[in-house]
Amino acid sequence: DGGITQSPKYLFRKEGQNVTLSCEQNLNHDAMYWYRQDPGQGLRLIYYSQIVNDFQKGDIAEGYSVSREKKESFPLTVTSAQKNPTAFYLCASSIETSSRPGELFFGEGSRLTVL
Amino acid sequence: KNQVEQSPQSLIILEGKNCTLQCNYTVSPFSNLRWYKQDTGRGPVSLTIMTFSENTKSNGRYTATLDADTKQSSLHITASQLSDSASYICVVSARGAAGNKLTFGGGTRVLVKP
Repeated sequence: DGGITQSPKYLFRKEGQNVTLSCEQNLNHDAMYWYRQDPGQGLRLIYYSQIVNDFQKGDIAEGYSVSREKKESFPLTVTSAQKNPTAFYLCASSIETSSRPGELFFGEGSRLTVL
Repeated sequence: KNQVEQSPQSLIILEGKNCTLQCNYTVSPFSNLRWYKQDTGRGPVSLTIMTFSENTKSNGRYTATLDADTKQSSLHITASQLSDSASYICVVSARGAAGNKLTFGGGTRVLVKP
């Protein structure tokens, strides 16, 4: 089945450590996104990529980094520079069609906890 | 500044009852509005999409309405089931030169009790 796979589902990190969250999709979508979700708040965009080897900062990119070396993969690294990294991270992809404009397909999420 | 406000923040309903969730937005220029359902600890899944010319759209027991003049949308759940317990997120898309930009509401958490 086509979809988006995020791993790990749960991750614990000590302060000062970098961690990388994996996101893989087999939907053949060009665009991929990383969002952060905190309780009671709307999803906030961290980074997005509309094509391989190109990505753009979102609204809260500080302390995060990404790469897009393959169409299927868009990993997110949470660096030690991110001051409050404990959150639920969602990866998404999209393809623009006339019948489903701007629909995001989400992964199952990764919950990062900093100890 | 583009904003999406949802109300109530949470609600509890009895199984079999109906409920209505509200979404008010100040997003311009408007492209479309989506409602997503997010089960606890899972990723959101799209329920409906509304474009400027659409007033009502249904997906099973979910019915979304849009009033583009007042910039309000609602999601009505009919004959609620335990599986409807989830967060419902309103997402409004604004047209831009670089493509559509999404603004997410904070969500309404619905708990259906037997």
